[in-house]
Amino acid sequence: SSELTQDPAVSVALGQTVRITCQGDSLRSHYASWYQQKPGQAPVLVIYGKNNRPSGIPDRFSGSSSGNTASLTITGAQAEDEADYYCNSRDSSANLIFGGGTKLTVL
Amino acid sequence: QVQLVESGGGLVKPGGSLRLSCAASGFTFSDYYMSWIRQAPGKGLEWVSYITRSSSYTNYADSVKGRFSISRDNAKNSLYLQMNSLRAEDTAVYYCARPMTTVVTTETDAFDIWGQGTMVTVSS
Repeated sequence: SSELTQDPAVSVALGQTVRITCQGDSLRSHYASWYQQKPGQAPVLVIYGKNNRPSGIPDRFSGSSSGNTASLTITGAQAEDEADYYCNSRDSSANLIFGGGTKLTVL
Repeated sequence: QVQLVESGGGLVKPGGSLRLSCAASGFTFSDYYMSWIRQAPGKGLEWVSYITRSSSYTNYADSVKGRFSISRDNAKNSLYLQMNSLRAEDTAVYYCARPMTTVVTTETDAFDIWGQGTMVTVSS
């Protein structure tokens, strides 16, 4: 399969922990990267590789992977974390693929 | 600072053509392969095309193959996307994006620099 599947929407109470998942066969052999996108803005990289954060990304963001599932965890979600989150990897032809996105609501 | 700025979007009729540009600054453009990624209104991200550093290799999503053409001018620090035979389903914000490293590994296979995007609307 060359698809990445994400839950369309997830919610979390302020200050609690939330996990956003991404499923796909390609994740067995490729890492997922994760992007945060707020309305009207370009995506921002938040996690790449095994579990790496670009400079400026808070350490409450972390990544993990097991089998065909990659996860983005936000520990202690803040109001400013409300956004769409996209996972990204490669298919069997090494072409880039994106998940459908997860809309995170912080309650 | 490191920056990508897209331009060239607009309203075009089905079957028409448009050329997008992406101006790079703040880094050595010729050291990086570059990609175009698009996002239809209210939809997710879709990779469109990429080009290697020396333009020796290009690749396209099946949805645009044969209609779109990516190119670059390293002397002008610019990336382009020629879009022909446009369809309504090509309506989207088009982003140019730069990978994290000049040599992409499995650990660094991600885009850390994105432009602000340029809107392309295909409608009669």
